[in-house]
Amino acid sequence: AQRVTQPEKLLSVFKGAPVELKCNYSYSGSPELFWYVQYSRQRLQLLLRHISRESIKGFTADLNKGETSFHLKKPFAQEEDSAMYYCALNSGNTPLVFGKGTRLSVIA
Amino acid sequence: IAGITQAPTSQILAAGRRMTLRCTQDMRHNAMYWYRQDLGLGLRLIHYSNTAGTTGKGEVPDGYSVSRANTDDFPLTLASAVPSQTSVYFCASSRKTNTEAFFGQGTRLTVV
Repeated sequence: AQRVTQPEKLLSVFKGAPVELKCNYSYSGSPELFWYVQYSRQRLQLLLRHISRESIKGFTADLNKGETSFHLKKPFAQEEDSAMYYCALNSGNTPLVFGKGTRLSVIA
Repeated sequence: IAGITQAPTSQILAAGRRMTLRCTQDMRHNAMYWYRQDLGLGLRLIHYSNTAGTTGKGEVPDGYSVSRANTDDFPLTLASAVPSQTSVYFCASSRKTNTEAFFGQGTRLTVV
């Protein structure tokens, strides 16, 4: 069965500090991983996906198949990064499976 | 502006009443989904549709039904609402099941 685990419900960091949001997955095949973000009172939107290997708003995420992880990182947190972050897994022709989310709070 | 639209934005509903949440997309996406978002539980899939005319059950389908008569619309119906269905409901669509999903703005439903 596919499963996505985000161990932290809430992560608080100071502005300018590094950020790492953890995501681990369980899937026996070749996964496709995504990070979605939900800013206050807004809809969920795609932040980045592992196949594109790009940096969006300073965030990066590397798929580590050995550790079955897809942690989201940013070297210097900004106040506008405060939001709810969801890691999601896609496999074949099944809908996205989401983790429970991590609320990031960046303190000025 | 192309996108995905949900209605209503919010609703207070008496327990036992029937309610349909509407979802329309104009991106000609094949796949559509309904998720509910609850604090501490994240997003859980209720029902989905890979293409018009087909539907499937997600993780938490009980008490909900869907239909997909055409590509654009994917309504979610609560036949007899219960307080545990109080939640924020998100509709989403994607070109195919395994491509990026686009989300609606959500419907906040309170069942009293």
